[in-house]
Amino acid sequence: AQTVTQSQPEMSVQEAETVTLSCTYDTSESDYYLFWYKQPPSRQMILVIRQEAYKQQNATENRFSVNFQKAAKSFSLKISDSQLGDAAMYFCALNFGNEKLTFGTGTRLTIIP
Amino acid sequence: DAGVIQSPRHEVTEMGQEVTLRCKPISGHNSLFWYRQTMMRGLELLIYFNNNVPIDDSGMPEDRFSAKMPNASFSTLKIQPSEPRDSAVYFCASSRRQGNQPQHFGDGTRLSIL
Repeated sequence: AQTVTQSQPEMSVQEAETVTLSCTYDTSESDYYLFWYKQPPSRQMILVIRQEAYKQQNATENRFSVNFQKAAKSFSLKISDSQLGDAAMYFCALNFGNEKLTFGTGTRLTIIP
Repeated sequence: DAGVIQSPRHEVTEMGQEVTLRCKPISGHNSLFWYRQTMMRGLELLIYFNNNVPIDDSGMPEDRFSAKMPNASFSTLKIQPSEPRDSAVYFCASSRRQGNQPQHFGDGTRLSIL
């Protein structure tokens, strides 16, 4: 069984500042994939970034980057230069072999103008 | 390119009625997933298909729920009879199976059972 834990139910950050969202996971698989999805109030589920477990290099997508620590089973998301449009629920998720995604409980991010 | 298309966007019905949710995956995607989102349980998989064949339906709550994928471009999730505890947002997602491509989600159906 796989589990994903997001220990921060809510986070807030000043606009233009940097914020880090935490995620830890557990799996017995050696080859798996990690994702961060964003869910704004419109309820769409939008893929933010993904990381292959076999890659040591941390993934980066513009202002979004991850800190992937495989031994510690940690996968945090860093958002730089936070913008008002970043306000949303952020879900960490895990899967392997193109099977189901296992999601964390989410972190609600508020951007303070 | 068109994304995953779900219909209806909202559904309000009385308990005991049959509910049918529909999903059109992205063209060329051969894996399709149905998820349910509730405040209590978060996001959880109900069932998924590879090449139109159901692979894992262990998340389907009970016999009142059924899902079909008659062809590569259409899937349905049916609840009969519906109950108030079925109220949730139901998401459909699709992906290419090869290379573990990420899942792309539809906009979801918000279902309210009165």
